[in-house]
Amino acid sequence: SQQGEEDPQALSIQEGENATMNCSYKTSINNLQWYRQNSGRGLVHLILIRSNEREKHSGRLRVTLDTSKKSSSLLITASRAADTASYFCATDAYYNQGGKLIFGQGTELSVKP
Amino acid sequence: GAGVSQSPSNKVTEKGKDVELRCDPISGHTALYWYRQSLGQGLEFLIYFQGNSAPDKSGLPSDRFSAERTGGSVSTLTIQRTQQEDSAVYLCASSLGLAGGLNTQYFGPGTRLTVL
Repeated sequence: SQQGEEDPQALSIQEGENATMNCSYKTSINNLQWYRQNSGRGLVHLILIRSNEREKHSGRLRVTLDTSKKSSSLLITASRAADTASYFCATDAYYNQGGKLIFGQGTELSVKP
Repeated sequence: GAGVSQSPSNKVTEKGKDVELRCDPISGHTALYWYRQSLGQGLEFLIYFQGNSAPDKSGLPSDRFSAERTGGSVSTLTIQRTQQEDSAVYLCASSLGLAGGLNTQYFGPGTRLTVL
């Protein structure tokens, strides 16, 4: 079963706009990671935020984590057509041994030039 | 350095045949994970290795699925007597370790398996 749920399932924006994707999860976590996937193949790691962190930045990406609400958001600023992809959140649940990730269903982002 | 590699990139097989999928992790990564991605089920964990041991096989869908890892490096995922519902993209990932920030997982390009 999936740990996370992502919202929205699909998002279409114009180049230059900001894109916000949300992820909710069910159990306590060690960390939460965001990945991007192009064309249904390999996933590219974007950012990892630990359970004791609240916000993290990487280039045009900003991730927030609210453990009290069991939710995270990924903000992509000044989007580009090349950002078009599916974005997944993945949690490393606290009860897990071994760091296996449980993925959300993903948000399909389309950035129109 | 090289990333995670997987072979073959595509595999078409007939129902009932056995298939082997291979994963070469990033050099020095002790942890290796197998996931699969299908339209109906999303991304699902299958099994992970720490070194050559597989402490968690909980995601393997049936006893037709097995995996091994040798020399703390290459891993093979074997599916026996394939069924049409096995059709999916099989993804391998590796990480430096298991805990905290060490379990940032780096994924290979995947193997697309089609069972006719």
